[in-house]
Amino acid sequence: SQTIHQWPATLVQPVGSPLSLECTVEGTSNPNLYWYRQAAGRGLQLLFYSVGIGQISSEVPQNLSASRPQDRQFILSSKKLLLSDSGFYLCAWSEGNNQPQHFGDGTRLSIL
Amino acid sequence: QKEVEQNSGPLSVPEGAIASLNCTYSDRGSQSFFWYRQYSGKSPELIMSIYSNGDKEDGRFTAQLNKASQYVSLLIRDSQPSDSATYLCAVMGLTGGGNKLTFGTGTQLKVEL
Repeated sequence: SQTIHQWPATLVQPVGSPLSLECTVEGTSNPNLYWYRQAAGRGLQLLFYSVGIGQISSEVPQNLSASRPQDRQFILSSKKLLLSDSGFYLCAWSEGNNQPQHFGDGTRLSIL
Repeated sequence: QKEVEQNSGPLSVPEGAIASLNCTYSDRGSQSFFWYRQYSGKSPELIMSIYSNGDKEDGRFTAQLNKASQYVSLLIRDSQPSDSATYLCAVMGLTGGGNKLTFGTGTQLKVEL
């Protein structure tokens, strides 16, 4: 069966520091991969998605970036975090078009 | 107009009752529809998928889709306190080639003893 791993579970970072969140999927090949952010009391905001290695689509222009160095690995990065980057970051995968997405456990990021 | 709209609630129902959660969407070409459950502090969990008009049942859950009215609903029978959570409606539209889900902001359900 397929599993998705996301780490770390919680992270506290100072303003201006870099960020790297990693997500890996097991038990499937060539999944679609997604990064979302959920601010407190808000809906899910799609940040990036990828349909293949090296293919990244950005949904919201901001100081975050994403990379997919391997088929089942998706990384969310920032060179300099802002206070507004605080939130619950969720990685998700799907088998392909029109298929449901399955979420990892998420990373709760607090910026001080 | 929001792309996917849900009443934020909270929707309170007594234990054992039927909870009815509703969702409307704006993209008439949408093909796939999903319901997720999210407990406080946790990630969303897929509970139902529906792709064609009508009803789809899975245990205590029934999803209903009416594409003409651009409406999708989730019924939870015999509601239990463990069903207390936020329920997210998600719609897969034509934009993004069927790769992008648009989420509603969720309906908070409270099942009271």
